[in-house]
Amino acid sequence: QQQVKQSPQSLIVQKGGISIINCAYENTAFDYFPWYQQFPGKGPALLIAIRPDVSEKKEGRFTISFNKSAKQFSLHIMDSQPGDSATYFCAASPFGGATNKLIFGTGTLLAVQP
Amino acid sequence: DTGVSQDPRHKITKRGQNVTFRCDPISEHNRLYWYRQTLGQGPEFLTYFQNEAQLEKSRLLSDRFSAERPKGSFSTLEIQRTEQGDSAMYLCASRPKGQGASSYEQYFGPGTRLTVT
Repeated sequence: QQQVKQSPQSLIVQKGGISIINCAYENTAFDYFPWYQQFPGKGPALLIAIRPDVSEKKEGRFTISFNKSAKQFSLHIMDSQPGDSATYFCAASPFGGATNKLIFGTGTLLAVQP
Repeated sequence: DTGVSQDPRHKITKRGQNVTFRCDPISEHNRLYWYRQTLGQGPEFLTYFQNEAQLEKSRLLSDRFSAERPKGSFSTLEIQRTEQGDSAMYLCASRPKGQGASSYEQYFGPGTRLTVT
């Protein structure tokens, strides 16, 4: 049972453009939503995270938009650069859970063309 | 702070052999996770430690898998009688103490890529 659905599977964006990746979740107990960036052969690196008490969070060129009623959240990468080319994963966990294990989406492979 | 480290980075083994991986978390992080990632997929949770106590194990963790964190610092993951289906990237993550928002952030190591031939 996939609890976090991520789309698109792959994305090609021109340098300077906006990259948008979407995720949807089913479990209403989830209330912590991080995004990770992963380069080939490396471990995932935490980019930005949000809790549902806010609808948007921005850190530099990265913004999370959150829609609690729709159970959806998205990552926006502004002014996309070739160095942003990587695989991006959304994830979710129950904030107050005993273990706070992360449930990951299937990933989006982003290619930013120069 | 050197981040989460894992050893070895790559392991090639023959089917039926036992393998052991090590994870050193960020110092003073009392929470430690193991995940498994197969090609083209997101990481999947395997097990969780708080200090030295193993508090949760996924159903993915068959009886051939065992994990320990004997002194609440480093952790080991052992796979006995490896199978080709065990080929994957094994990731370790650590999380700091506390109850604030930043205490829920998990920091991943570089992973150990296992290939079973």
